[in-house]
Amino acid sequence: ILNVEQSPQSLHVQEGDSTNFTCSFPSSNFYALHWYRWETAKSPEALFVMTLNGDEKKKGRISATLNTKEGYSYLYIKGSQPEDSATYLCAFVDNYGQNFVFGPGTRLSVLP
Amino acid sequence: EAEVAQSPRYKITEKSQAVAFWCDPISGHATLYWYRQILGQGPELLVQFQDESVVDDSQLPKDRFSAERLKGVDSTLKIQPAELGDSAMYLCASSLEPRWSSYNEQFFGPGTRLTVL
Repeated sequence: ILNVEQSPQSLHVQEGDSTNFTCSFPSSNFYALHWYRWETAKSPEALFVMTLNGDEKKKGRISATLNTKEGYSYLYIKGSQPEDSATYLCAFVDNYGQNFVFGPGTRLSVLP
Repeated sequence: EAEVAQSPRYKITEKSQAVAFWCDPISGHATLYWYRQILGQGPELLVQFQDESVVDDSQLPKDRFSAERLKGVDSTLKIQPAELGDSAMYLCASSLEPRWSSYNEQFFGPGTRLTVL
């Protein structure tokens, strides 16, 4: 069973704070890593697909980095806004897509 | 914007009853997934279809769960009989690319929240 972990489990920040959280995954047989944002009562929404060691992706105030050799990815949010409040999920893909495993998520609350 | 549709959004049932969930993927998406998400955990894949064929149902509890996608478009997931431990969010997703593509972006529906009493 593949182990994908995310930390912290939950996070409360003030509006305007920058924050980051971690997805840890097996360092062998890496194929891709996905990040999703899941707002309450809405559908999970894809943020990034990362495939290469050293990849950096950016969308607005959100960015992500990838280290496949040590098995982690960071998600950064600059200047958090209340609308960033959501659960952020990562999903690890190995062996040419044979396994697509989600982490438990990090629940972010941004207080106005 | 095309979306994955799911119904119902909420379902409350008593244990030992049968329940069914429906999913309509984005038009043209050949790959369809059903996930179960228990509170505090990440979504867990139950079954994956490529067109009308099941390509992965290794995590589907086949004694009580069944899934079909008869015409390769919409899909139904059924539980019979429901048990207390089945209370969870059931998510449907679809993708244009097959799962083995590294750019496989899955588009999710809003899910069905099942409560078994």
